[in-house]
Amino acid sequence: EAGVAQSPRYKIIEKRQSVAFWCNPISGHATLYWYQQILGQGPKLLIQFQNNGVVDDSQLPKDRFSAERLKGVDSTLKIQPAKLEDSAVYLCASSLMVVGNTEAFFGQGTRLTVV
Amino acid sequence: QQQVKQSPQSLIVQKGGISIINCAYENTAFDYFPWYQQFPGKGPALLIAIRPDVSEKKEGRFTISFNKSAKQFSLHIMDSQPGDSATYFCAAQATGNQFYFGTGTSLTVIP
Repeated sequence: EAGVAQSPRYKIIEKRQSVAFWCNPISGHATLYWYQQILGQGPKLLIQFQNNGVVDDSQLPKDRFSAERLKGVDSTLKIQPAKLEDSAVYLCASSLMVVGNTEAFFGQGTRLTVV
Repeated sequence: QQQVKQSPQSLIVQKGGISIINCAYENTAFDYFPWYQQFPGKGPALLIAIRPDVSEKKEGRFTISFNKSAKQFSLHIMDSQPGDSATYFCAAQATGNQFYFGTGTSLTVIP
């Protein structure tokens, strides 16, 4: 079974530039998460999708961050404009999210450095 | 507000020893408690998980102990090996919702 695929692996941008991350979840997984992991901290949710609908985006800084999940499969997370404090690893995870099986599988993440 | 509190922040154990990491939560709606292992440059990988209908779950050298009344759960790594050196995160979820993660424990196993 293929895992969660993310690209790019690394990205360095200047502040005020824009950047986009891509995620391809495990086939058949209806739930997709984007988490932000700042160095030395645990992952924090940015947005949760169920198919192509948003379940929870309460912690997404909507003035600069946006995300979409077209056709309920792949997802893109965008930051525009980036700030220095956005430097972090952006993790995508997916889950079947059925009763008794809510295990989330994570991708390797995209490490973003804003200079 | 930190939904899941994890301790210690770092842990150094001799090879063959027992590593113990503790977590606590407040939200009684949580019904799934996974532990994730993360190596540098990698995403978190599920290690072991428990639901509140059992007090203990063991998989190989890894055991979760769960105390529902105290709202605490812990990870025990028996016979710790240098290859276990990684960062460990506890997490909690109410079915259908997001995972809340602890702050992580950096484990170093000395040969």
